[in-house]
Amino acid sequence: NAGVTQTPKFRVLKTGQSMTLLCAQDMNHEYMYWYRQDPGMGLRLIHYSVGEGTTAKGEVPDGYNVSRLKKQNFLLGLESAAPSQTSVYFCASSSDHQPQHFGDGTRLSIL
Amino acid sequence: GENVEQHPSTLSVQEGDSAVIKCTYSDSASNYFPWYKQELGKGPQLIIDIRSNVGEKKDQRIAVTLNKTAKHFSLHITETQPEDSAVYFCAASGNSNYQLIWGAGTKLIIKP
Repeated sequence: NAGVTQTPKFRVLKTGQSMTLLCAQDMNHEYMYWYRQDPGMGLRLIHYSVGEGTTAKGEVPDGYNVSRLKKQNFLLGLESAAPSQTSVYFCASSSDHQPQHFGDGTRLSIL
Repeated sequence: GENVEQHPSTLSVQEGDSAVIKCTYSDSASNYFPWYKQELGKGPQLIIDIRSNVGEKKDQRIAVTLNKTAKHFSLHITETQPEDSAVYFCAASGNSNYQLIWGAGTKLIIKP
């Protein structure tokens, strides 16, 4: 009964470093999403995918890249981390016209 | 684009009393309105949702009301309990469940 699993749970990076956040879902959902959550701002959509091999930009895509090579996985990449990318990152998945299910987040600090 | 405003940012109520959180949206084409509860260190979890063809929906102590004319919707929690303490988010979307636009959240505190 895993649902949506995010790895890692915590990470500290130095400015300019790169990393990839992993998201896996076992519900056979078509849609997957990456959000960032900052204090007082709710959740903002970074990128999303409507199916394997497809990705699209959300509200705040700059500085991030994504890939969906397998239906169950959605990867979020930071090529050159900046302090402004310090945030909590959430992955979610859903079927069409069904609610989104969230993972428990990755807490990322950029020094 | 769509904008969702949520009020209040913090709400403190006595255990057993009712709590009401309100959201307004800007896009009249929005037709799906979910509410999520987020506990500390966890991801948001759906607690109730409503579509624009319905004015009210209830699930035990939780209810959501929608006023399409005024473009606002509200979450009502009755007989509040300590485990209701959390941050609550409203959201709105148009033709599909992706591209949800989120409110800023309400921290609900239940006082014993």
